[in-house]
Amino acid sequence: DAGVIQSPRHEVTEMGQEVTLRCKPISGHDYLFWYRQTMMRGLELLIYFNNNVPIDDSGMPEDRFSAKMPNASFSTLKIQPSEPRDSAVYFCASSPSDRDGVNTEAFFGQGTRLTVV
Amino acid sequence: LAKTTQPISMDSYEGQEVNITCSHNNIATNDYITWYQQFPSQGPRFIIQGYKTKVTNEVASLFIPADRKSSTLSLPRVSLSDTAVYYCLVGDSGNTGFQKLVFGTGTRLLVSP
Repeated sequence: DAGVIQSPRHEVTEMGQEVTLRCKPISGHDYLFWYRQTMMRGLELLIYFNNNVPIDDSGMPEDRFSAKMPNASFSTLKIQPSEPRDSAVYFCASSPSDRDGVNTEAFFGQGTRLTVV
Repeated sequence: LAKTTQPISMDSYEGQEVNITCSHNNIATNDYITWYQQFPSQGPRFIIQGYKTKVTNEVASLFIPADRKSSTLSLPRVSLSDTAVYYCLVGDSGNTGFQKLVFGTGTRLLVSP
């Protein structure tokens, strides 16, 4: 497996524009996570899905952020409208579960570096 | 949510054993302890996970005392390539068993020649 694949790797956009980040999890993993990393706040969990269903989105900073997982092999994180303070590295991760349904090792993608100017 | 506390930074030399201790006084019964490693410009990478006593894999050992209020990641014979940030996480399992991975500030390990 190629691991968790994120696209694009880098994104530069102007304030007010819509930004869509994409993620392809590892096949067979039933958990998917979106994280954001900045120098000031470190790694923050934004939202996670289990079997394509959003379970906890309490980390999503504002209504400008939304995430979807239309199927087991694809997820998007959308920011509309984007603002300079959204500049960060966004990571997607996926994880299998054990026989009790508990998530185990999380595999992270390479991240998308977003710059909003 | 169990909060973790670990040293901000540590220095070591090649070939030495490095032990990074993490405290998690509010760990819950269903919480597992997990360690991740992160290199610059990369996503975190899983190192090891444990619940109690000792766990060992090909890269590290994890020591967890009986009260589970702390844990120690042990890296044997570090090399320059082990320079990274190491995160200790305690899953916020609640009643579901799901291990919510909340990253703290991590420990920045610098290995010198």
